[in-house]
Amino acid sequence: GENVEQHPSTLSVQEGDSAVIKCTYSDSASNYFPWYKQELGKRPQLIIDIRSNVGEKKDQRIAVTLNKTAKHFSLHITETQPEDSAVYFCAAAPGNQFYFGTGTSLTVIP
Amino acid sequence: SAVISQKPSRDICQRGTSLTIQCQVDSQVTMMFWYRQQPGQSLTLIATANQGSEATYESGFVIDKFPISRPNLTFSTLTVSNMSPEDSSIYLCSIERDLTGELFFGEGSRLTVL
Repeated sequence: GENVEQHPSTLSVQEGDSAVIKCTYSDSASNYFPWYKQELGKRPQLIIDIRSNVGEKKDQRIAVTLNKTAKHFSLHITETQPEDSAVYFCAAAPGNQFYFGTGTSLTVIP
Repeated sequence: SAVISQKPSRDICQRGTSLTIQCQVDSQVTMMFWYRQQPGQSLTLIATANQGSEATYESGFVIDKFPISRPNLTFSTLTVSNMSPEDSSIYLCSIERDLTGELFFGEGSRLTVL
């Protein structure tokens, strides 16, 4: 099956700075790449996604980039706020099944 | 988005027993999945729950340990059989929206095995 790697595992940034999380995938059939945010004790929630026919997508302070040739995609959060503190998971979907990265624990320091 | 209800939300179980988790969706969906999230870990796909047929299991998961039912397009169950402390985890039901392909999760069932 698909193998998704995610880096870094932990990330601390000062409020207002940017945060970048990177993922790589192995299955060239993957064509959908969502990002999830999971707050402590809660379910993962979809925050943004990108499909293989697009190289970049932005939604307010969040953006994702995709490089299909290199099989990697990234999450960019600008102007970070304390409420951005959470665990973030990337995922890749070669079909109907979704395979998740190992997660990044983001801490935004006020 | 669809409403996904899971129960129980949490339970404490004895070693060697089995527990069935229920997942109810408020609308018909084609694709339903079961994930496991061990403490502080990522989300691992256990199986795809297929309506009217046997579930499709991922590598490392077997039907005898995690039997799954999917009697209709709004309901599924996952049983964790012959539990050991290593099965202590959050088990999440998820659905894929038919129109967009987005994956949504239930609240999860937190199992602790003593």
